[in-house]
Amino acid sequence: DSGVTQTPKHLITATGQRVTLRCSPRSGDLSVYWYQQSLDQGLQFLIQYYNGEERAKGNILERFSAQQFPDLHSELNLSSLELGDSALYFCASSVDKLNTGELFFGEGSRLTVL
Amino acid sequence: DAKTTQPTSMDCAEGRAANLPCNHSTISGNEYVYWYRQIHSQGPQYIIHGLKNNETNEMASLIITEDRKSSTLILPHATLRDTAVYYCIVRVAGSSNTGKLIFGQGTTLQVKP
Repeated sequence: DSGVTQTPKHLITATGQRVTLRCSPRSGDLSVYWYQQSLDQGLQFLIQYYNGEERAKGNILERFSAQQFPDLHSELNLSSLELGDSALYFCASSVDKLNTGELFFGEGSRLTVL
Repeated sequence: DAKTTQPTSMDCAEGRAANLPCNHSTISGNEYVYWYRQIHSQGPQYIIHGLKNNETNEMASLIITEDRKSSTLILPHATLRDTAVYYCIVRVAGSSNTGKLIFGQGTTLQVKP
């Protein structure tokens, strides 16, 4: 158990819909990272938040957005969903003070778009 | 961050050592080598990291060549539970980096009975 909690574990929805994925980082961790893993793309970095502010951005689509709240939990919002958005979405957290490179990943949210 | 090259797949017999190579010929002096693994659709798991000295922890050993252009992750006594995709990542540590990790395709290690 990494200490990172993601909900929901599974989600099935239709094209055009909007979903929200939630992540609770490990206690004390200030950074939250979102990754997408689809069969043909591997693990893709989407976005990072540090203590409520966006810190790094990767291959995140404009239809996707994220935020980190004062209690440090984070949400990834996916809108106008397409079939190709079906994937595993992982959240990770780190303390980030020393930036040691040790990220703790949750078990992921599996999104299926029909 | 420097690019890494890993074999696509490897097999290992249960109980034997698994040696997973990684090439990072363009590594810079301030870049660390990290290893993560992902067991079938679970979240990736940190294994070990190092700069230039060999490192060992309860999971594995990391051997980095003197010129730092390649490294080997060693699982000393592989078990079936070590079957996973292993990722070698090179990145700068410290406050100059955002902290994100960029994953490549990794090596699929199959441990066989």
